[in-house]
Amino acid sequence: EDQVTQSPEALRLQEGESSSLNCSYTVSGLRGLFWYRQDPGKGPEFLFTLYSAGEEKEKERLKATLTKKESFLHITAPKPEDSATYLCAVREDSWGKLQFGAGTQVVVTP
Amino acid sequence: DTEVTQTPKHLVMGMTNKKSLKCEQHMGHRAMYWYKQKAKKPPELMFVYSYEKLSINESVPSRFSPECPNSSLLNLHLHALQPEDSALYLCASSQADEGGELFFGEGSRLTVL
Repeated sequence: EDQVTQSPEALRLQEGESSSLNCSYTVSGLRGLFWYRQDPGKGPEFLFTLYSAGEEKEKERLKATLTKKESFLHITAPKPEDSATYLCAVREDSWGKLQFGAGTQVVVTP
Repeated sequence: DTEVTQTPKHLVMGMTNKKSLKCEQHMGHRAMYWYKQKAKKPPELMFVYSYEKLSINESVPSRFSPECPNSSLLNLHLHALQPEDSALYLCASSQADEGGELFFGEGSRLTVL
């Protein structure tokens, strides 16, 4: 059973059209939720860490939020360079073991 | 520019070959990881080294053999692979007491014929 579910699978946006990505999780003892960005053929790039419900982090046009059951990645006024696959991952009790979601592929067109 | 360097970027090997993937980091991180990623799938954890000792092995077949010669280097030795092992192999590093903020390399694209 999937512990981390991301939606939608794919998202196509016009430049400037804000939207949100969802990451829902079912782990019992959350030790951190992490957002990564991955460009085609490259390794994931770390974006944010969230530890507790109500926490928010921002970086440029991206804002990540966390509740007890899900996290959202808000993309405000996106630009074409924001096109990428966005992955969320959770860490439970076991150190070093991240459970990744399947990702949301975002395409931003001019 | 990534601070985790992986070589080679591309590797093609036959099922009877022996090859190695190499990873190097100079950020002073004491935890290093190998992940496997198939097309349009999330990364899957294979191995974790902490302070040069293998701490996690996710039941990976023995045809994959990791090695951590020192705190900056991580190798993955490959032998008798199957075509289904073709994938992007990602190396990552992190602070020893941090298991989620990982710094990934660009990966080694492996094709097994």
